[in-house]
Amino acid sequence: DTGVSQDPRHKITKRGQNVTFRCDPISEHNRLYWYRQTLGQGPEFLTYFQNEAQLEKSRLLSDRFSAERPKGSFSTLEIQRTEQGDSAMYLCASSFTRRSYNEQFFGPGTRLTVL
Amino acid sequence: DAKTTQPPSMDCAEGRAANLPCNHSTISGNEYVYWYRQIHSQGPQYIIHGLKNNETNEMASLIITEDRKSSTLILPHATLRDTAVYYCIVRVVNFGNEKLTFGTGTRLTIIP
Repeated sequence: DTGVSQDPRHKITKRGQNVTFRCDPISEHNRLYWYRQTLGQGPEFLTYFQNEAQLEKSRLLSDRFSAERPKGSFSTLEIQRTEQGDSAMYLCASSFTRRSYNEQFFGPGTRLTVL
Repeated sequence: DAKTTQPPSMDCAEGRAANLPCNHSTISGNEYVYWYRQIHSQGPQYIIHGLKNNETNEMASLIITEDRKSSTLILPHATLRDTAVYYCIVRVVNFGNEKLTFGTGTRLTIIP
């Protein structure tokens, strides 16, 4: 068990550019979640997948954001036309539905800075 | 999911028990209490959860009051590595309610 991994760990981009983040969940986990965290706040839910199906999206996930999980393994989160307000830590988590309480395991996050 | 209230910060001496309170006065009967913590520059880490009964695991103990309106997370022998932000979350555990709703948590500082 290598845990949840995220790549890159840090990303600096200019306003208007597109960025893509990757998350690799724990191998047997069928659920994958994306959260966003700004300074001094707790993480905020963005979206989650069960296998390859995206089952819930927060209203925080504007049309500039898109998430995919092809084949139900790794996931990508893309932000198009980045804005300074997108600067945040983007966290990925995974879980296994057969665990009765659905504990979520988080990755280390990708810190995005939009200049 | 019910809202929780936690003190913004607490200090605890190394080696002593750290008691972190959480108020969830509007909790409903099918909502569980979860605790996560977030060490600086890392993702949140699950600690413990409970419904009615007190719970203990290798990391901590969770004491839930009889009316379930509040709970306390106890770290029995705090170490410097326990310095983190601790989040108390209440949620219904069922299919279709997957998200964790974090508040601002309690910043616990362990003093040497």
